[in-house]
Amino acid sequence: DIQMTQSPSSVSASVGDRVTITCQASRGISSWLAWYQQKPGKAPKLLIYGASTLQSGVPSRFSGSGSGTDFTLTISSLQPEDFASYYCQQADSFPFTFGPGTKVDIK
Amino acid sequence: QVQLQESGPGLVQPSQTLSLTCTVSGDSITSDTYYWTWFRQPAGKGLEWIGRLYTSGTTNYNPSLRSRVTISVDTSKNQFSLKLNSVTAADTAVYFCARGRSSQDWFDPWGQGTLVTVSS
Repeated sequence: DIQMTQSPSSVSASVGDRVTITCQASRGISSWLAWYQQKPGKAPKLLIYGASTLQSGVPSRFSGSGSGTDFTLTISSLQPEDFASYYCQQADSFPFTFGPGTKVDIK
Repeated sequence: QVQLQESGPGLVQPSQTLSLTCTVSGDSITSDTYYWTWFRQPAGKGLEWIGRLYTSGTTNYNPSLRSRVTISVDTSKNQFSLKLNSVTAADTAVYFCARGRSSQDWFDPWGQGTLVTVSS
């Protein structure tokens, strides 16, 4: 299985801050990576796929980059509705696997 | 737009079979473009992919669960189902259904999730 790691595991930030989350795959996955946002008690929501393509309806303050083994999710200016957990997911091979998540909370 | 909704018992006894159904609304479940999948998430933990189903009948399962899992479809009801047998407390989790896109394998939309507790 491809192992996914994320850092940091949690980050405290303020509204307006720039937040960067990194995701690393245990082997190269080209651009077969997605990012999801999950709020407590809710289902994950697809934010970015193909490492850098913004899902329809997702605000442009979210962006993704990277390829191979190292990826980044950036929130350019944190908004109140962005406090949530974020997960990366590899779509390169079975079984599809997720990172352990990064929780973004209020400083 | 497409919506998914999980349903099924919230409590299952150890060694029994967990059975859940996902009802798809807003579009036909039969598609060459999309497939249907299950995930689970234990409380406070990360997401685990369980398996997927194309309505043509092709299935793929997580090797960690393959011996206990069956995903099937009822196209007449626009539903697909999950069965997980011989459950233990370790199978206690929120179970989500979702739609995947062929050859891309990211998932959207998701159902709201349903908590299944394995306990006597």
